[in-house]
Amino acid sequence: GAGVSQSPRYKVAKRGQDVALRCDPISGHVSLFWYQQALGQGPEFLTYFQNEAQLDKSGLPSDRFFAERPEGSVSTLKIQRTQQEDSAVYLCASSQTGSGSPLHFGNGTRLTVT
Amino acid sequence: TQLLEQSPQFLSIQEGENLTVYCNSSSVFSSLQWYRQEPGEGPVLLVTVVTGGEVKKLKRLTFQFGDARKDSSLHITAAQPGDTGLYLCAPRGSGTYKYIFGTGTRLKVLA
Repeated sequence: GAGVSQSPRYKVAKRGQDVALRCDPISGHVSLFWYQQALGQGPEFLTYFQNEAQLDKSGLPSDRFFAERPEGSVSTLKIQRTQQEDSAVYLCASSQTGSGSPLHFGNGTRLTVT
Repeated sequence: TQLLEQSPQFLSIQEGENLTVYCNSSSVFSSLQWYRQEPGEGPVLLVTVVTGGEVKKLKRLTFQFGDARKDSSLHITAAQPGDTGLYLCAPRGSGTYKYIFGTGTRLKVLA
């Protein structure tokens, strides 16, 4: 595709529900990042994949957060038993390599937990 | 813990004015990127700086990487309403793939 695509664009979940957020990176991009952006803040790193390998998940806030990229392309960020503090925009970015090439961001999924 | 500060946090100026925003840290970085983000969209890369003291120009935008590679600035000449947005700096440490974003400077340019 021409750019990074994220779906859904908006998600409203009741507290305690599980959600799954999808990211379609630019074809051929090796690296994939997930970031969480709270209102009025900069993006905060969640996790990083190089192809299908999850090399860094140090930013995941709790064990309720889980990410996968099984075939090295599409990635899914899953949040179990959502809490109100999970409300944020979740951004996905891909890059050709992991060493300094620019990040191409999707437009994010805005998650609201009620 | 790496401390990254962007200033000012908010800036509202009239069209035609000049401005500078800053990105400061106590850590040395191997490179630094500047992004602009508009409401409802993801950040878009403006520039990457790599060498200490490096200056890059993008039309009316001038980016500088500090000599010690701990800080950076973005100067906009004759700001226009289309420059409105959230400006984010994102440095990368040596030997890491991870870009850490600052909290950003929210710029509003009034016509």
